[in-house]
Amino acid sequence: EAQVTQNPRYLITVTGKKLTVTCSQNMNHEYMSWYRQDPGLGLRQIYYSMNVEVTDKGDVPEGYKVSRKEKRNFPLILESPSPNQTSLYFCASSSGDLYEQYFGPGTRLTVT
Amino acid sequence: AQSVTQPDIHITVSEGASLELRCNYSYGATPYLFWYVQSPGQGLQLLLKYFSGDTLVQGIKGFEAEFKRSQSSFNLRKPSVHWSDAAEYFCAGDYGGATNKLIFGTGTLLAVQP
Repeated sequence: EAQVTQNPRYLITVTGKKLTVTCSQNMNHEYMSWYRQDPGLGLRQIYYSMNVEVTDKGDVPEGYKVSRKEKRNFPLILESPSPNQTSLYFCASSSGDLYEQYFGPGTRLTVT
Repeated sequence: AQSVTQPDIHITVSEGASLELRCNYSYGATPYLFWYVQSPGQGLQLLLKYFSGDTLVQGIKGFEAEFKRSQSSFNLRKPSVHWSDAAEYFCAGDYGGATNKLIFGTGTLLAVQP
């Protein structure tokens, strides 16, 4: 089954404790993105990747890092989480010529 | 700047009634347009998409949307709403370029009354 998976689905952590949210897709897609969803703001892109070892900032990259060492994986790293990073995070992947993004189930992160 | 606007934050309709959710995109090159639905606690599911061609597109779950260039709109419609349609609906545009980035509207929360 074609899918995008994220782990963990729920995470509660404390300020400053490094964390990683994993994202994996099994569709051999070139493009992958991370979005955060906040009430009243819709979804905003954090980072994106056009292929292995190619990443760039989206609209709200501050406080986040990403890497793309393998085509299927695109982890999101918060080196020093802060309460304003409490949000619902979505990973998405797409094939560049189809322009249709597939979304993971989301990771709800709470930073206290 | 490129943007997608959903003017209605919250809409309530009666079960069986018709539905129209509004979406407007900013001027300039016409983006690829999408409607997604997010049920409570769930991820985003693609309802339909418009790239070019026929301006009336059919999607899943009985939804359709009409692209109107003159109004910069891509409104979502359903002739008869079911209680299971209660969810949040997002319109999104892809203006192209290297990022493959979707620009989302802020969403419309649909409530369905019995």
